[in-house]
Amino acid sequence: DIQMTQSPSAMSASVGDRVTITCRASQGINNYLAWFQQKPGKVPKRLIYAASSLQSGVPSRFSGSGSGTEFTLTISSLQPEDFATYYCLQHNSYPWTFGQGTKVEIK
Amino acid sequence: QVHLVQSGADVKKPGASVKVSCKASGYTFTSYLIHWLRQAPGQGLEWMGVINPSGASIYYAQKFQGRVAMTRDTSTSTVYMELSDIRSDDTAVYYCAREQSSPYSNDALDIWGQGTMVTVSS
Repeated sequence: DIQMTQSPSAMSASVGDRVTITCRASQGINNYLAWFQQKPGKVPKRLIYAASSLQSGVPSRFSGSGSGTEFTLTISSLQPEDFATYYCLQHNSYPWTFGQGTKVEIK
Repeated sequence: QVHLVQSGADVKKPGASVKVSCKASGYTFTSYLIHWLRQAPGQGLEWMGVINPSGASIYYAQKFQGRVAMTRDTSTSTVYMELSDIRSDDTAVYYCAREQSSPYSNDALDIWGQGTMVTVSS
């Protein structure tokens, strides 16, 4: 199975901060990587697919980059509504695996 | 509009089975795979398996092999996930989500069901 190591597991940030979350795959996954945002009690929402493609309707302050084994989600200027937990997902091969999540909290 | 609508919350005793449904609408049912995922309280997301409504090919995560069964009814555009011999650590929100079924699709899990809370308690 491909392991997805996501870091950090939690972080405190202020509105306006630039935030970077990283996922490292235990083997190459090409660009079969998606990023999801989840707020408490809500359904996960896809932000990025194919490692760097922005989901329709998602603000442009969100971006994704990377290929192979190293991937990054960047929020260029954190907004109040962005405080949530973020997950990466590799779907290069079965079984699909998620990172353990990054909880972004208010500083 | 595209929707995946799941069945309602359920409470089961240990050792029982639970069956969750996921009804698709607003798109061609056989053009998308349906994945099942779950999330235990306070925990992360876990992938359980996938079914192709077109040909009914299925892949289950090894963790659930022997306990899970995914089926589909093309006449009602509904996919089912049944988990048997359930125990307390199966208490979770169960989600269905779709993936475009074209070869080498890189468009996974764009639409999710609303989630179904399954509680296992004696």
